[in-house]
Amino acid sequence: GQQLNQSPQSMFIQEGEDVSMNCTSSSIFNTWLWYKQDPGEGPVLLIALYKAGELTSNGRLTAQFGITRKDSFLNISASIPSDVGIYFCAGEPTDSWGKLQFGAGTQVVVTP
Amino acid sequence: DADVTQTPRNRITKTGKRIMLECSQTKGHDRMYWYRQDPGLGLQLIYYSFDVKDINKGEISDGYSVSRQAQAKFSLSLESAIPNQTALYFCATSDRGGNEQFFGPGTRLTVL
Repeated sequence: GQQLNQSPQSMFIQEGEDVSMNCTSSSIFNTWLWYKQDPGEGPVLLIALYKAGELTSNGRLTAQFGITRKDSFLNISASIPSDVGIYFCAGEPTDSWGKLQFGAGTQVVVTP
Repeated sequence: DADVTQTPRNRITKTGKRIMLECSQTKGHDRMYWYRQDPGLGLQLIYYSFDVKDINKGEISDGYSVSRQAQAKFSLSLESAIPNQTALYFCATSDRGGNEQFFGPGTRLTVL
């Protein structure tokens, strides 16, 4: 079953604020991925991380692969209304090649 | 055109009916996956296929079956639908050498 702990569950923020969320696991992961899901749509890949310690940016989004390989975080800087959605972390455990485990998601609500 | 398509997008059916959800992809990926999403939960893996002759059960395969008709097509069947199979269903694909999965738009299934 699901073994990724994603927090927080939800965030209500004002436009312009920064957002941080993270995922932790008791298992070691080869890969960490971050997705965003808009209402009525499928998840869209935002950032992929492949090495422990790796820090990768995609526009206002920055994600890091934890040194222990058991965690990852995602930051969104200077939030805008279109950042609203559910953000999911996903990881490929070392003992589960080719398959991903998903966190429960972080609901982000941005108010003007 | 979308790389991963799912049909139908919405379906309402009755308990005991047989239902098939279809997924097609133009990405040329070998691997295909079926997931289920329930409110407030992450994605749970139902079945996955690493190539046309390879079919594997995921963590919640009971009550479901799949068919990989071609590299580009992967269908999910509910032989006798029950109300607790009401959920969002997503198809995803990935390349043989990578962990990044790309999702279709989803099918919202309601079983009455």
